[in-house]
Formats: sequence, structure tokens, C-alpha cells
Amino acid sequence: QVQLQESGPGLVKPSQTLSLTCTVSGGSISSGDYYWSWIRQPPGKGLEWIGYIYYSGSTYYNPSLKSRVTISVDTSKNQFSLKLSSVTAADTAVYYCARDHSDYFDYWGQGTLVTVSS
Amino acid sequence: QSALTQPASVSGSPGQSITVSCTGTSSDVGSYNYVSWYQQHPGKAPKLMIYEVGNRPSGVSNRFSGSKSGNTASLTISGLQAEDEADYYCTSFSSSSTLYVFGTGTRVTVL
Repeated sequence: QVQLQESGPGLVKPSQTLSLTCTVSGGSISSGDYYWSWIRQPPGKGLEWIGYIYYSGSTYYNPSLKSRVTISVDTSKNQFSLKLSSVTAADTAVYYCARDHSDYFDYWGQGTLVTVSS
Repeated sequence: QSALTQPASVSGSPGQSITVSCTGTSSDVGSYNYVSWYQQHPGKAPKLMIYEVGNRPSGVSNRFSGSKSGNTASLTISGLQAEDEADYYCTSFSSSSTLYVFGTGTRVTVL
């Protein structure tokens, strides 16, 4: 059974960089069978896809966030990470990592709330 | 790229069938059979219920079914049960640079 777990600071100051890591267990990122995505959900609002990474390191980002987003992968640790720079209160959200079949997301992490506040 | 349009809320009594719609455009729902549906209970992560328009993952009840006509996809829940009360989101692959577009979400209430 594949499991994903997000980790990282729950509080980030405005203008700083949000950093999260997703650890995958029960399956290998290096298998090359899937993409690995980040998705977020502001409190009380809908879902927004942030971007994905392939085991090779190739990425694709949502154009609305592209200038501030970096997703990286560490296959030796079976982890992938998200960095979002110059955050504002609008970036306050629950951040999810998910396994991406290229058209749907079948396994999700439990999510982690990141609050942007001074 | 705008979000796919879903009704804010749909309700039904136990045992009834309800349908949640998801309206997009010819750039997403209308052009691809890559529509998926997710169930989200409060405080929980979304759960995949339907993928590629009408396919159910292993373990998902056959009370859940999906279909598509033109630019609108639909999720039908038959034999509504109390445990089905949740938020439901559709997603579609898109030819726009956004790649994946989510729906606005629908709150399903079991009366």
C-alpha cells in the first residue's frame, strides 16, 4: 500500500519561502510509472494543482504559480519537495502531495496546514 | 484557466440517487476522457472515487458512477447513504497551460 506523508513548518512569515517534503513509502519514485504532484487547498476553499515532478527531475508547474515554485526530487530518500517563494497570506492552505497518473491522483498524503503570518 | 463549474450543493434522502454535474469547456472536459472525481470528508484528504470519466478504483462502492456528455461530466451516487455526505470535486486534464483544472466543489448532504 502506497503512503505519502508531508512534512515541514506549519508557520511561515510573509515574503519568506515555504518548504515542504513528501516522503513516499510502499512504492518507489524511481519506478518511473508515475508523476508526483503537489496540490493545495486554502481554508474553506477548493483545490488547486501546483505542479508535478517525474523521477528524472523534469517538472511542470501551474502557470499561476510558476514564477515562485520549485519542485525537486531525491530518489535516494524516496522524497520530493516543494518550495514556494515570496509567500503572502493568500498562500495559507493545506498542502497535499499526491501520486499522479498523468490524469488523476490516486494516493494522497494527509495534508499539512501552512499558515503565512508574521 | 477557470475552474470547472459544479453546483454548490446537492442533497437527497437515504436510498435516493443524486447527480453532481461538472461543466467545463472544449479545452478540457469536452476534449478528453480524463475526468476524475474526489470525495473529501471534513479535515480529510481527498479520495479518488472515479477516474477517466467512468472507472472506479478498487474498493470504491459500485453505487458511484461517472459519465460525460459534451462539456459536462456527471457523478451519480445511487442508494445514498449517510457516509456519502461530503464535498465532491471533479478534475479534468486541460489543453491549457494549467494542465489540470479542478471543479469548484459540491457539498452533498444526506437529509
